[in-house]
Amino acid sequence: AQSVTQLDSQVPVFEEAPVELRCNYSSSVSVYLFWYVQYPNQGLQLLLKYLSGSTLVKGINGFEAEFNKSQTSFHLRKPSVHISDTAEYFCAVSEGGSEKLVFGKGTKLTVNP
Amino acid sequence: DAGVIQSPRHEVTEMGQEVTLRCKPISGHDYLFWYRQTMMRGLELLIYFNNNVPIDDSGMPEDRFSAKMPNASFSTLKIQPSEPRDSAVYFCASSSNIRYEQYFGPGTRLTVT
Repeated sequence: AQSVTQLDSQVPVFEEAPVELRCNYSSSVSVYLFWYVQYPNQGLQLLLKYLSGSTLVKGINGFEAEFNKSQTSFHLRKPSVHISDTAEYFCAVSEGGSEKLVFGKGTKLTVNP
Repeated sequence: DAGVIQSPRHEVTEMGQEVTLRCKPISGHDYLFWYRQTMMRGLELLIYFNNNVPIDDSGMPEDRFSAKMPNASFSTLKIQPSEPRDSAVYFCASSSNIRYEQYFGPGTRLTVT
């Protein structure tokens, strides 16, 4: 069965610093990978997705992620964060083209001035 | 487009009462998902529909939970009888299978006392 591990539950950083949020998955078949962001008291919003093709995926708000099949990872990065990036970030995976998503437990990113 | 609409946004009820949560998906989307989010268990998929037909309800915790989708523009999640451990935020999401992107509603925060 597929599973998603987000290695850091909380990540504090200073404004304008780079950040990497880590995500590893386990699956025996091909996968689609997603990152979602949740701002306080809101639903989740899609940041970016990997379906096929280039392993470097660019998303909204300056975020990008790299799919590494050999390491079964899909880490999220941003070169310079803003206060407004403070939110919880969720990595998700679907197997074999299924619409069903399995989410990680989330990483709370706090950007400090 | 108004996005996914959920009602009510907040619900406080007493143990043993029936609770009904409502969702209106984005027009034209043919998948609808119900999730539950808690601090302890994270974001869990309860059930999802394709073209109004339930496809996978393996995440429904027990018989007290039921979900229906009588037409393409409306779905309900019912809990009867409710228990304090059902307290959570319940999200509805919809997607079109062309793009593999789920659009989340704002959620319903349920408190069972």
